[in-house]
Amino acid sequence: DTAVSQTPKYLVTQMGNDKSIKCEQNLGHDTMYWYKQDSKKFLKIMFSYNNKELIINETVPNRFSPKSPDKAHLNLHINSLELGDSAVYFCASSQEAYRANEKLFFGSGTQLSVL
Amino acid sequence: AQSVSQHNHHVILSEAASLELGCNYSYGGTVNLFWYVQYPGQHLQLLLKYFSGDPLVKGIKGFEAEFIKSKFSFNLRKPSVQWSDTAEYFCAVSSSGNTGKLIFGQGTTLQVKP
Repeated sequence: DTAVSQTPKYLVTQMGNDKSIKCEQNLGHDTMYWYKQDSKKFLKIMFSYNNKELIINETVPNRFSPKSPDKAHLNLHINSLELGDSAVYFCASSQEAYRANEKLFFGSGTQLSVL
Repeated sequence: AQSVSQHNHHVILSEAASLELGCNYSYGGTVNLFWYVQYPGQHLQLLLKYFSGDPLVKGIKGFEAEFIKSKFSFNLRKPSVQWSDTAEYFCAVSSSGNTGKLIFGQGTTLQVKP
């Protein structure tokens, strides 16, 4: 069983559309994250939820909205997609949020291409 | 602000060659340091981490890294690489109280020729 699974793996869409990426973890972790990897391979954190509560919210356009229906799920909804949103989005989870030496478990990524 | 710099963006080695990937970070306080690896078609996974104690840490698959505080460095090493080590390697840092926020370097693509 995949520990952190995200869908879809590939997402190709037109500018202006609204799309969602789903993420689920079956590790029983309390904390989940969304990271964005740009074309230069830099991975940057976008959001983090701990037990359905938002704890990290980096400078991300309001068009991006995370939603956590329960602690095993963290979905990412993107409104009015722009060309610059094209990237690989990684979901991750960790046992606890408030220990900086926590190991992260990553999903396999969603490659978003905005045309 | 914290940042992580990986000097080598693309490294090509032959099997059995020794490997050292550079990683430097900028942060004056207590840090936790990580190396993550992404094999082709797979997800990112932890290779090793340092948060206290012996500055020389050993990870999976024969990798090790040394934390040198005076140089703000955490270089990754392996004495003899294998073709299966072909992957993307990411250095990352977090600081105490940062609620699990990891700052990643740009990554290094390692290609090992058989």
